[in-house]
Amino acid sequence: EPEVTQTPSHQVTQMGQEVILRCVPISNHLYFYWYRQILGQKVEFLVSFYNNEISEKSEIFDDQFSVERPDGSNFTLKIRSTKLEDSAMYFCASKGLAGLNTQYFGPGTRLTVL
Amino acid sequence: QKEVEQDPGPLSVPEGAIVSLNCTYSNSAFQYFMWYRQYSRKGPELLMYTYSSGNKEDGRFTAQVDKSSKYISLFIRDSQPSDSATYLCAMSAEAAGNKLTFGGGTRVLVKP
Repeated sequence: EPEVTQTPSHQVTQMGQEVILRCVPISNHLYFYWYRQILGQKVEFLVSFYNNEISEKSEIFDDQFSVERPDGSNFTLKIRSTKLEDSAMYFCASKGLAGLNTQYFGPGTRLTVL
Repeated sequence: QKEVEQDPGPLSVPEGAIVSLNCTYSNSAFQYFMWYRQYSRKGPELLMYTYSSGNKEDGRFTAQVDKSSKYISLFIRDSQPSDSATYLCAMSAEAAGNKLTFGGGTRVLVKP
């Protein structure tokens, strides 16, 4: 069964450093998403991406964040200058073109900012 | 008022019992309703999805949506210890590719 994959599973970084989180969505999907979950809190929407552009972003997704689909398979989230409060699980999700809004999630990247 | 509310639990039941979970929401624009299961420090796994009001059954799982009351439910029959997890409701408005808004999750513990 196809699945969303994410790398790395755990990333530790120093405050102020740049990080890139990588995702490989399900191959025939066309909508891509990033969500995050701070420990003990809700899963929160960050950004959605369709047709090579951002379709929606949340208030969390400020100028420090960017997304890119550099090739036909990868989808990345970059945080330019990490803050302590960026420590969270980051989930990538993808959805096919038709039908219900069924988004399939990857296993997540745990980001720890020291 | 929070957009989506869900009792955090924990909800502890004996093996074989019916697990009953629910969420309430305030945004009348929500049309798609999903239930995800999440094990500790793992990604949400899609269990059930429904569109608009009504019931849907899949094996041991039944999802119900009552849009007039802004209330959704998930029932798990014949619960197993492997059903022990956090259950998240999620919903979105009409239109393809809309963001999901999640509840905070209910932790369920099925005791052998």
